[in-house]
Amino acid sequence: SYELTQPPSVSVSPGQTASITCSGNNLGEKDASWYQQKPGQSPVLLIYLDTKRPTGIPERFSGSNSGNTATLTITGTQPMDEADYYCQAWDSSTVIFGGGTKLTVL
Amino acid sequence: QVRLQESGPGLVKPSETLSLTCTVSGVSVSSYYWSWIRQAPGKGLEWFGYIYNSGSTNYNPSLKSRVTISIDTSKNQFSLKLSSVTAADTAVYYCARLLPHGNHFDYWGQGTLVTVSS
Repeated sequence: SYELTQPPSVSVSPGQTASITCSGNNLGEKDASWYQQKPGQSPVLLIYLDTKRPTGIPERFSGSNSGNTATLTITGTQPMDEADYYCQAWDSSTVIFGGGTKLTVL
Repeated sequence: QVRLQESGPGLVKPSETLSLTCTVSGVSVSSYYWSWIRQAPGKGLEWFGYIYNSGSTNYNPSLKSRVTISIDTSKNQFSLKLSSVTAADTAVYYCARLLPHGNHFDYWGQGTLVTVSS
């Protein structure tokens, strides 16, 4: 079965750029999405169709997807960005989520 | 504004069937795809499947034998049934809208915790 692999944790200093990767076989040929989840809250869609931001999502969040890796980039990371981040794709008519990455801003 | 609200028992006994309902407001359930997703305590997200239109479904192969998703257009609701539950099914259960162009979830419910315990 298809798998998406994310690093369990990423740390970044405030104001710096954070990159969270999501790896899967030929992931670049699929549509990748990203979600942010803060403690006790539902996931929020950050990125869809690899690079698109829903209305209301700050421009500091961006996405890319090529080869076997999709990347979520947070430019000018803020303390409020500390959260869990999940990638998601579609394979053989099945939704697949990555295992999640905990972003720490310190 | 699209809103989703899960409802159902917070406690289910082992071997019984878990039943949850998602009430949708702001749009017609007949017009979109709808999914159930869960998150075990401290774990990641797991997708159950989707339903759309008059009731066409597609399930996660790993859960398919135990899952039924149905829709009630008259109440603007859709539901999840998960049979033969065990403690491993203890999780927060979310309902969400799935957009087929891009296959992503744009609206989520607040989630409801279901504990499986005798």
